[in-house]
Amino acid sequence: GIQVEQSPPDLILQEGANSTLRCNFSDSVNNLQWFHQNPWGQLINLFYIPSGTKQNGRLSATTVATERYSLLYISSSQTTDSGVYFCAVELTGGGNKLTFGTGTQLKVEL
Amino acid sequence: NAGVTQTPKFQVLKTGQSMTLQCAQDMNHEYMSWYRQDPGMGLRLIHYSVGAGITDQGEVPNGYNVSRSTTEDFPLRLLSAAPSQTSVYFCASRRLSTGQGYQFFGPGTRLTVL
Repeated sequence: GIQVEQSPPDLILQEGANSTLRCNFSDSVNNLQWFHQNPWGQLINLFYIPSGTKQNGRLSATTVATERYSLLYISSSQTTDSGVYFCAVELTGGGNKLTFGTGTQLKVEL
Repeated sequence: NAGVTQTPKFQVLKTGQSMTLQCAQDMNHEYMSWYRQDPGMGLRLIHYSVGAGITDQGEVPNGYNVSRSTTEDFPLRLLSAAPSQTSVYFCASRRLSTGQGYQFFGPGTRLTVL
């Protein structure tokens, strides 16, 4: 099956810092999403981005499908950004199965 | 819209007991799925459905059954609970149309099997 690797596994930032989270995947995909799981366990979709670049406030994401990676940028981080960030992908022709990476645990400190 | 709802929020079972986790969505999404999340791991797909009457297995289907009699509901059944099924269970839904792939998750059910 498809392999989804996220890096770094853990990240600690001071409030106001910027960060880049990476997602590598092993095969061609037709669906890639980024999710944030907050400290209360709720999963929130951030981006649907199988290719190209999108921005939403302080967050932006870029997927380079031909090179099989996606990046999530967090600028001017806030304590509310803490939690786990997951990348999830669906193989082209993969039967509608969204496979998750193991996530990046982010902690933003004052 | 309520989005994706799950009941119960918490459940404790004894080994061998059976139960059904409920999931419903009001967004008319074709696709629904169940995941489990264990500590330190990502979400693993248990079962999924692309429409009423159609279900298929995911990555970790053993010990779980599903059915999809309506577009709105997708219950997950544990026939004989085992301690290895202690986990947090998430239900999700999305459209299948190209470019409409945002997946929405329910709040989760925390299950403990003693």
